[in-house]
Formats: sequence, structure tokens, C-alpha cells
Amino acid sequence: DQQVKQNSPSLSVQEGRISILNCDYTNSMFDYFLWYKKYPAEGPTFLISISSIKDKNEDGRFTVFLNKSAKHLSLHIVPSQPGDSAVYFCAASAEDSNYQLIWGAGTKLIIKP
Amino acid sequence: ETGVTQTPRHLVMGMTNKKSLKCEQHLGHNAMYWYKQSAKKPLELMFVYSLEERVENNSVPSRFSPECPNSSHLFLHLHTLQPEDSALYLCASSHSSGGGEDTQYFGPGTRLTVL
Repeated sequence: DQQVKQNSPSLSVQEGRISILNCDYTNSMFDYFLWYKKYPAEGPTFLISISSIKDKNEDGRFTVFLNKSAKHLSLHIVPSQPGDSAVYFCAASAEDSNYQLIWGAGTKLIIKP
Repeated sequence: ETGVTQTPRHLVMGMTNKKSLKCEQHLGHNAMYWYKQSAKKPLELMFVYSLEERVENNSVPSRFSPECPNSSHLFLHLHTLQPEDSALYLCASSHSSGGGEDTQYFGPGTRLTVL
């Protein structure tokens, strides 16, 4: 059973609007969460992260929100740009799993002009 | 060359072949990883090396054999693979292997097809 779930395989958003990518997890021991972005024919690249002691982390156009009670995190991109079209992966780690990253299956974001 | 490189980028092999995937990192990191990514599935961690010693082996079949001769190089030796082993194999490195906050840097991957 997947511990990290990204239930939307794809998402289409108009350029300039807000993109919201969601991620749910089941392991309450996860204490660090990351988002990675992947373009075709390239490896994933780190985008933004959040520790479980926070509920929000912002970096430019990217903001990650963490709701520990709901075991849910989301990535907001605003305004969305064509270069944001990529696959976004959510990942989580916990001390009791030797800090191995547990990954979601990814959400393909398409920014429409 | 900078970052994490992987060769070959594409590989087609028969089930009786023996081949090797190569990964090299130019970041001065001490930890290296092999991941498998099958279509529409999460990345699966296969192996972790820290300071050239294997620290994780996530129940990977013995037909996959990793080798880490030094902290900059990581190999994945393949033999008698099955068609279901067809996937994207990603290599990553990080400063250390002990923390989720330690950002992993990925190579572009090797697209493997087993016929």
C-alpha cells in the first residue's frame, strides 16, 4: 500500500492562474516533505521542502502547505508559467525509515497558453 | 562536467544479456542511490551507498548487482533480467545518507528495455 499518494495523474491550468498539486500520506511518523519536478528526459530536481514543525514554506512563486491533522500537503504555483509544465513528485521521509524518501507516483502539470 | 551523469541513456537488452549501468557524480557527495521508476508508479529505492558501503538493499532481486568502487562512481550490473524489469533507472547522490533534509540530486536516468 502506498504511503504517499498523488491522486491526480494530471492537471491542466491556464497560464497566469494558480496551480495546486496535492499529496496525501498515511505514515504519521513522516517529518519532512519534499517536492521534486521532472522534465522529460531529465532526472527529478528538488523544488521545495517543508519540515513537520511548519505549516507553510514559500519560495518565490512556489508555496508548500502542510496539514498534519489531515496528513495532506499541497504545492501552490502562482502565477503558473509555461516552463512549469512538468511532472511533480511529492516525497516524504521519517526517522524510523532511516530517512529514506518515500515517493508519490507524480502529477503531470500542463500549463495552457 | 558537473552534476550527476548516467550512461547509457538508453539500453535494450535480451533476457540472457549482461550489461552495466554507470553513474558518476561530480558534486563531492558521500552517498549514492539507485532508483527504479516504472510507468505511472512511484520511484522505488533499490540501493543506497554511503562512503562506498551499501547501507540499504530494499529486497531487490539478485539479478541486479550494485557496485560502488569510490564515492564518485556507482554501477548497476544487470544479468538475466525479465521484461518486467523494463523501466527508467535513476541514480542520485547527496551529501550524506542520513537525513531527509539532505537534498538528492538526480541523473537523467537510463531507459532500460528488456526483450
